Amino acid sequence: NAGVTQTPKFQVLKTGQSMTLQCAQDMNHEYMSWYRQDPGMGLRLIHYSVGAGITDQGEVPNGYNVSRSTTEDFPLRLLSAAPSQTSVYFCASNPRGDTSYEQYFGPGTRLTVT
Amino acid sequence: DAKTTQPPSMDCAEGRAANLPCNHSTISGNEYVYWYRQIHSQGPQYIIHGLKNNETNEMASLIITEDRKSSTLILPHATLRDTAVYYCIVRPNTGTASKLTFGTGTRLQVTL
Repeated sequence: NAGVTQTPKFQVLKTGQSMTLQCAQDMNHEYMSWYRQDPGMGLRLIHYSVGAGITDQGEVPNGYNVSRSTTEDFPLRLLSAAPSQTSVYFCASNPRGDTSYEQYFGPGTRLTVT
Repeated sequence: DAKTTQPPSMDCAEGRAANLPCNHSTISGNEYVYWYRQIHSQGPQYIIHGLKNNETNEMASLIITEDRKSSTLILPHATLRDTAVYYCIVRPNTGTASKLTFGTGTRLQVTL
């Protein structure tokens, strides 16, 4: 298994541009989440999904959209990039049930907005 | 979810035990204690979790006080590769989406 994969690894955007951060997992996990991590800070939850077709907002959802059309993929869309969205973005997945506590994280996407 | 308090940083000599404390005085009966770590620039990695009994796995041991208001993560023989930020998280194990609330954690520096 590849686990959780994220693309791209690095991205530079200009203010106002839009883009999609890709996330995929091959573990058949029902739950997927997006977090952002600013320098020196812990991770903050942006959006999450409990299954295909179901998404919900986390702690810091403004400026981001998500959709979950398949179990495997959970893309994060930046609608109009702002310098405040400069951050490292992590995607995570975890199974339902007794082992739902263990989240598997991707390697991250480092985004800079100028 | 209950709030947790951790020291911002700790040092440990390689080969010695690293004991990382966490206070969670407002923990409620159905909340578990989870530990994750984040090695520089990588995604967080699950270490261990527990409810009220002490737990041990191949990575670490978790000691939870009898009143459950604090816990300690023990890395029995720390190596340089254990240098990381360690996060203590308290939340229910409800089986629904595991939304984790990460604080700023403890930065453990393992030295020669």
